Amino acid sequence: EADIYQTPRYLVIGTGKKITLECSQTMGHDKMYWYQQDPGMELHLIHYSYGVNSTEKGDLSSESTVSRIRTEHFPLTLESARPSHTSQYLCASSELRKGQTYEQYFGPGTRLTVT
Amino acid sequence: TQLLEQSPQFLSIQEGENLTVYCNSSSVFSSLQWYRQEPGEGPVLLVTVVTGGEVKKLKRLTFQFGDARKDSSLHITAAQPGDTGLYLCAGARGTNYGQNFVFGPGTRLSVLP
Repeated sequence: EADIYQTPRYLVIGTGKKITLECSQTMGHDKMYWYQQDPGMELHLIHYSYGVNSTEKGDLSSESTVSRIRTEHFPLTLESARPSHTSQYLCASSELRKGQTYEQYFGPGTRLTVT
Repeated sequence: TQLLEQSPQFLSIQEGENLTVYCNSSSVFSSLQWYRQEPGEGPVLLVTVVTGGEVKKLKRLTFQFGDARKDSSLHITAAQPGDTGLYLCAGARGTNYGQNFVFGPGTRLSVLP
């Protein structure tokens, strides 16, 4: 059973506000990820981290930023929310399994609506 | 350009029927994962396949990785309403240290009672 948590689950906020989406995992995984998913669409990687003080941008350009000060915590911040940021944001972490491949475990997601 | 394609995009069947969904790519992946996602929730990992030609079974679900590690299939026997959901495949790329995942668009399955 994966132990990865995201808060808030739902957020409705006005344009221009600063928001932080929280993600925490208690499994001690080094690698963590943020994905963006629009309804009925595929997941797009927007940020990832291979460990503390390591952050990289993913395939999909995003105006958000991330930080990784502690292994278990990987928050995502939007300095000024816009309606185009409306989406579901999914956090994941992964561990190395036998056979030298990583398996990802996802949080429940945060559904963000910017009005 | 989609790195991973899934077909069919939508599938609606009656309880008890069998079905197969596909995940295809022109790229080689070091491993491939299948997930099921419920509305409003995060994807839940079903299986990881690593070796070309590998077959894994999870109760009524059978997963196969193509010999060339570019494609995969998921077969469900005697589908039940509880199987309803979005089935996603994800390919792992990169080195063991720097491995990231690319997702397909998913197959949305509806099993009617």
